[in-house]
Amino acid sequence: KAGVTQTPRYLIKTRGQQVTLSCSPISGHRSVSWYQQTPGQGLQFLFEYFSETQRNKGNFPGRFSGRQFSNSRSEMNVSTLELGDSALYLCASSPEAGVNEQYFGPGTRLTVT
Amino acid sequence: LAKTTQPISMDSYEGQEVNITCSHNNIATNDYITWYQQFPSQGPRFIIQGYKTKVTNEVASLFIPADRKSSTLSLPRVSLSDTAVYYCLVGPMYNFNKFYFGSGTKLNVKP
Repeated sequence: KAGVTQTPRYLIKTRGQQVTLSCSPISGHRSVSWYQQTPGQGLQFLFEYFSETQRNKGNFPGRFSGRQFSNSRSEMNVSTLELGDSALYLCASSPEAGVNEQYFGPGTRLTVT
Repeated sequence: LAKTTQPISMDSYEGQEVNITCSHNNIATNDYITWYQQFPSQGPRFIIQGYKTKVTNEVASLFIPADRKSSTLSLPRVSLSDTAVYYCLVGPMYNFNKFYFGSGTKLNVKP
């Protein structure tokens, strides 16, 4: 079975721009979660989608949004980028919502200049 | 969720058994203990999960004493490729989005 895939792997954007990241979960997995990882804050939960519905949301500003499609693929969008948004954005999938065994993708490295 | 404490870093040599201990003094009755491994610039990878006593899979063993206030991840005969950060997470099932990864334990395996 193919693992979680994320595109693009690397991205460089300028402050004020917006960005969309994509995640394809493992086949059959209906839950997709997004995380931000930075050296200073560690791994922080952004949001979780299950069957196209946002199930949980972390403590991030409204500039961070996401959605899930009927095939379970998910996208996250960050508008009005700030320098502090530079991070590794990770997507994880699981068969059910919120379970402790999550399958993470390789991440998208976003650099905001 | 229960707070966990792990060593910041550990050194080992190839072929040795490595034991990483995690303290979770205020673990709740319905909490599970889950360990993840992360290599640089990659997503974390699930290693093992347990509730009590001992759990073993093809990668590692997890030892949990009766009081469940600590747990030990045991990696048998480590190799250079086991150099990574290891995270101990404690919390109830179906609540993963609230887990706090912390700094983890940086394991450095030397030749």
